[in-house]
Amino acid sequence: DAGVIQSPRHEVTEMGQEVTLRCKPISGHDYLFWYRQTMMRGLELLIYFNNNVPIDDSGMPEDRFSAKMPNASFSTLKIQPSEPRDSAVYFCASTNLRGNGELFFGEGSRLTVL
Amino acid sequence: DQQVKQNSPSLSVQEGRISILNCDYTNSMFDYFLWYKKYPAEGPTFLISISSIKDKNEDGRFTVFLNKSAKHLSLHIVPSQPGDSAVYFCAARTYNQGGKLIFGQGTELSVKP
Repeated sequence: DAGVIQSPRHEVTEMGQEVTLRCKPISGHDYLFWYRQTMMRGLELLIYFNNNVPIDDSGMPEDRFSAKMPNASFSTLKIQPSEPRDSAVYFCASTNLRGNGELFFGEGSRLTVL
Repeated sequence: DQQVKQNSPSLSVQEGRISILNCDYTNSMFDYFLWYKKYPAEGPTFLISISSIKDKNEDGRFTVFLNKSAKHLSLHIVPSQPGDSAVYFCAARTYNQGGKLIFGQGTELSVKP
Protein backbone atom coordinates (compact mmCIF):
# COMPACT_ATOMS: atom_id res chain seq x y z
CA ASP A 1 0.00 0.00 0.00
CA ALA A 2 1.32 3.45 -0.84
CA GLY A 3 2.19 5.72 2.04
CA VAL A 4 1.13 9.32 2.53
CA ILE A 5 1.88 11.22 -0.65
CA GLN A 6 2.72 14.92 -0.62
CA SER A 7 3.34 17.36 -3.43
CA PRO A 8 5.29 19.32 -4.32
CA ARG A 9 8.45 18.07 -2.61
CA HIS A 10 10.06 21.46 -3.05
CA GLU A 11 8.54 24.85 -3.67
CA VAL A 12 10.38 28.14 -4.11
CA THR A 13 8.24 31.23 -4.41
CA GLU A 14 8.35 34.94 -3.91
CA MET A 15 6.82 36.81 -1.03
CA GLY A 16 3.17 37.61 -1.66
CA GLN A 17 2.51 34.62 -3.88
CA GLU A 18 -0.06 31.94 -3.12
CA VAL A 19 1.25 28.51 -2.17
CA THR A 20 -0.77 25.31 -2.25
CA LEU A 21 0.53 22.09 -0.70
CA ARG A 22 -1.22 18.82 -1.37
CA CYS A 23 -1.63 15.56 0.50
CA LYS A 24 -3.08 12.14 -0.21
CA PRO A 25 -3.49 10.12 2.99
CA ILE A 26 -3.23 6.36 3.29
CA SER A 27 -6.42 4.70 2.12
CA GLY A 28 -8.67 3.80 5.06
CA HIS A 29 -7.19 6.38 7.41
CA ASP A 30 -9.83 8.71 8.78
CA TYR A 31 -7.53 11.22 10.50
CA LEU A 32 -5.30 13.65 8.63
CA PHE A 33 -2.81 16.05 10.18
CA TRP A 34 -0.74 18.97 8.86
CA TYR A 35 2.50 19.72 10.71
CA ARG A 36 5.23 22.27 10.14
CA GLN A 37 8.85 21.63 11.09
CA THR A 38 10.96 24.51 12.34
CA MET A 39 14.22 24.57 14.28
CA MET A 40 12.70 26.48 17.18
CA ARG A 41 9.47 24.55 17.68
CA GLY A 42 10.19 21.18 16.15
CA LEU A 43 7.09 19.57 14.66
CA GLU A 44 4.25 21.99 15.18
CA LEU A 45 0.66 20.84 14.61
CA LEU A 46 -1.25 23.21 12.35
CA ILE A 47 -4.60 21.48 11.88
CA TYR A 48 -6.18 18.05 11.84
CA PHE A 49 -9.25 16.49 10.27
CA ASN A 50 -11.44 13.54 11.18
CA ASN A 51 -13.64 12.12 8.43
CA ASN A 52 -12.84 15.19 6.32
CA VAL A 53 -14.05 17.61 9.01
CA PRO A 54 -11.58 20.04 10.62
CA ILE A 55 -11.40 19.24 14.34
CA ASP A 56 -8.68 21.49 15.68
CA ASP A 57 -7.17 24.39 13.76
CA SER A 58 -5.74 26.19 16.78
CA GLY A 59 -2.22 25.73 15.45
CA MET A 60 -2.86 27.62 12.21
CA PRO A 61 -0.61 30.64 12.65
CA GLU A 62 -2.63 33.29 10.85
CA ASP A 63 -5.57 33.88 8.56
CA ARG A 64 -3.14 33.61 5.69
CA PHE A 65 -3.19 29.85 6.27
CA SER A 66 -6.15 27.69 5.30
CA ALA A 67 -6.68 23.96 4.90
CA LYS A 68 -9.36 21.90 3.26
CA MET A 69 -10.23 18.25 2.92
CA PRO A 70 -12.86 17.91 0.18
CA ASN A 71 -12.82 14.11 0.32
CA ALA A 72 -11.19 11.21 2.14
CA SER A 73 -8.28 10.99 -0.25
CA PHE A 74 -7.17 14.59 -0.64
CA SER A 75 -6.26 17.62 1.44
CA THR A 76 -4.67 21.00 0.72
CA LEU A 77 -2.85 23.54 2.82
CA LYS A 78 -2.86 27.00 1.32
CA ILE A 79 -0.84 30.07 2.25
CA GLN A 80 -1.99 33.36 0.77
CA PRO A 81 -0.08 35.63 0.73
CA SER A 82 3.16 33.85 1.58
CA GLU A 83 5.91 35.48 3.64
CA PRO A 84 9.60 34.57 4.16
CA ARG A 85 8.88 33.41 7.72
CA ASP A 86 6.62 30.70 6.30
CA SER A 87 9.72 28.95 4.95
CA ALA A 88 9.75 25.49 6.54
CA VAL A 89 9.08 21.84 5.82
CA TYR A 90 5.38 21.00 5.90
CA PHE A 91 4.37 17.43 6.69
CA CYS A 92 1.10 15.65 6.21
CA ALA A 93 0.29 12.56 8.30
CA SER A 94 -2.61 10.16 8.59
CA THR A 95 -3.83 7.42 10.92
CA ASN A 96 -6.79 5.18 11.71
CA LEU A 97 -5.89 5.17 15.43
CA ARG A 98 -5.60 1.37 15.51
CA GLY A 99 -2.84 -0.30 17.50
CA ASN A 100 -0.75 2.36 19.15
CA GLY A 101 -2.36 5.04 17.01
CA GLU A 102 0.87 6.04 15.36
CA LEU A 103 0.81 8.68 12.69
CA PHE A 104 2.20 7.86 9.25
CA PHE A 105 4.01 10.80 7.70
CA GLY A 106 4.63 11.83 4.14
CA GLU A 107 8.05 12.91 2.96
CA GLY A 108 7.23 16.58 3.40
CA SER A 109 7.07 19.68 1.24
CA ARG A 110 10.00 22.05 1.66
CA LEU A 111 8.80 25.62 1.15
CA THR A 112 11.14 28.53 0.56
CA VAL A 113 9.65 32.01 0.34
CA LEU A 114 12.07 34.61 -0.97
CA ASP B 1 3.66 27.07 25.33
CA GLN B 2 5.78 24.02 24.61
CA GLN B 3 4.07 21.07 26.30
CA VAL B 4 6.75 18.61 25.16
CA LYS B 5 10.37 19.67 25.44
CA GLN B 6 13.60 18.17 24.25
CA ASN B 7 16.25 20.40 25.74
CA SER B 8 19.24 18.89 23.94
CA PRO B 9 19.31 19.90 20.28
CA SER B 10 22.16 17.49 19.57
CA LEU B 11 24.00 14.48 20.96
CA SER B 12 27.15 12.76 19.78
CA VAL B 13 28.18 9.24 20.86
CA GLN B 14 30.66 6.60 19.82
CA GLU B 15 29.53 3.50 17.98
CA GLY B 16 28.80 0.69 20.42
CA ARG B 17 28.10 3.00 23.36
CA ILE B 18 24.72 3.92 24.82
CA SER B 19 22.71 6.88 23.49
CA ILE B 20 20.26 8.49 25.91
CA LEU B 21 17.76 10.98 24.56
CA ASN B 22 15.60 12.90 27.01
CA CYS B 23 12.15 14.44 26.90
CA ASP B 24 10.12 16.40 29.42
CA TYR B 25 6.43 17.21 29.36
CA THR B 26 4.11 19.49 31.29
CA ASN B 27 0.61 18.12 30.63
CA SER B 28 -0.37 15.45 33.18
CA MET B 29 -3.26 14.41 30.90
CA PHE B 30 -0.91 12.81 28.39
CA ASP B 31 -1.56 9.07 28.39
CA TYR B 32 0.63 7.82 25.58
CA PHE B 33 4.12 8.70 24.42
CA LEU B 34 5.89 7.92 21.17
CA TRP B 35 9.36 8.35 19.72
CA TYR B 36 9.86 9.09 16.05
CA LYS B 37 13.05 8.99 14.03
CA LYS B 38 13.70 11.27 11.07
CA TYR B 39 16.37 11.04 8.40
CA PRO B 40 17.15 14.07 6.18
CA ALA B 41 14.68 14.64 3.34
CA GLU B 42 12.33 11.99 4.73
CA GLY B 43 9.25 12.08 6.91
CA PRO B 44 9.38 10.99 10.56
CA THR B 45 8.85 7.28 11.16
CA PHE B 46 7.56 5.61 14.30
CA LEU B 47 10.17 3.98 16.50
CA ILE B 48 8.73 2.94 19.88
CA SER B 49 5.94 3.92 22.26
CA ILE B 50 4.88 3.61 25.88
CA SER B 51 1.58 3.87 27.69
CA SER B 52 1.34 6.00 30.80
CA ILE B 53 0.46 2.90 32.84
CA LYS B 54 3.91 1.45 32.21
CA ASP B 55 7.36 2.64 33.16
CA LYS B 56 9.40 0.76 30.56
CA ASN B 57 9.03 -0.63 27.08
CA GLU B 58 11.74 -2.45 25.19
CA ASP B 59 12.14 -3.30 21.52
CA GLY B 60 15.48 -4.74 20.53
CA ARG B 61 18.17 -2.11 20.99
CA PHE B 62 15.62 0.54 21.92
CA THR B 63 14.14 1.05 25.38
CA VAL B 64 11.87 3.85 26.51
CA PHE B 65 11.57 4.74 30.20
CA LEU B 66 8.76 6.81 31.66
CA ASN B 67 8.89 8.62 35.00
CA LYS B 68 5.42 10.05 35.52
CA SER B 69 6.16 11.79 38.78
CA ALA B 70 8.97 13.73 37.10
CA LYS B 71 7.06 14.08 33.82
CA HIS B 72 10.12 12.76 32.06
CA LEU B 73 10.84 10.08 29.53
CA SER B 74 14.00 8.86 27.91
CA LEU B 75 14.99 6.73 24.95
CA HIS B 76 17.99 4.45 25.33
CA ILE B 77 19.75 2.98 22.32
CA VAL B 78 22.20 0.18 23.11
CA PRO B 79 24.49 -0.41 21.35
CA SER B 80 24.44 2.69 19.16
CA GLN B 81 25.17 2.23 15.46
CA PRO B 82 26.12 4.76 12.76
CA GLY B 83 22.76 4.06 11.06
CA ASP B 84 21.03 5.43 14.17
CA SER B 85 22.26 8.91 13.25
CA ALA B 86 19.06 10.90 12.77
CA VAL B 87 16.78 13.41 14.45
CA TYR B 88 14.66 11.89 17.21
CA PHE B 89 11.33 13.41 18.17
CA CYS B 90 9.44 12.75 21.36
CA ALA B 91 5.64 13.01 21.10
CA ALA B 92 2.67 12.75 23.45
CA ARG B 93 -1.09 12.55 23.21
CA THR B 94 -4.21 12.51 25.35
CA TYR B 95 -6.88 9.85 24.82
CA ASN B 96 -9.68 12.31 24.12
CA GLN B 97 -7.94 14.30 21.39
CA GLY B 98 -8.31 11.95 18.46
CA GLY B 99 -4.73 10.92 17.90
CA LYS B 100 -3.41 14.46 18.00
CA LEU B 101 0.32 14.22 18.76
CA ILE B 102 2.27 17.03 20.39
CA PHE B 103 5.93 16.87 19.42
CA GLY B 104 9.10 18.17 20.97
CA GLN B 105 11.78 20.14 19.14
CA GLY B 106 13.84 17.07 18.31
CA THR B 107 17.37 15.91 19.19
CA GLU B 108 19.90 15.26 16.46
CA LEU B 109 21.89 12.12 17.25
CA SER B 110 25.25 11.53 15.64
CA VAL B 111 26.87 8.12 16.13
CA LYS B 112 30.54 8.18 15.22
CA PRO B 113 32.30 5.02 13.97
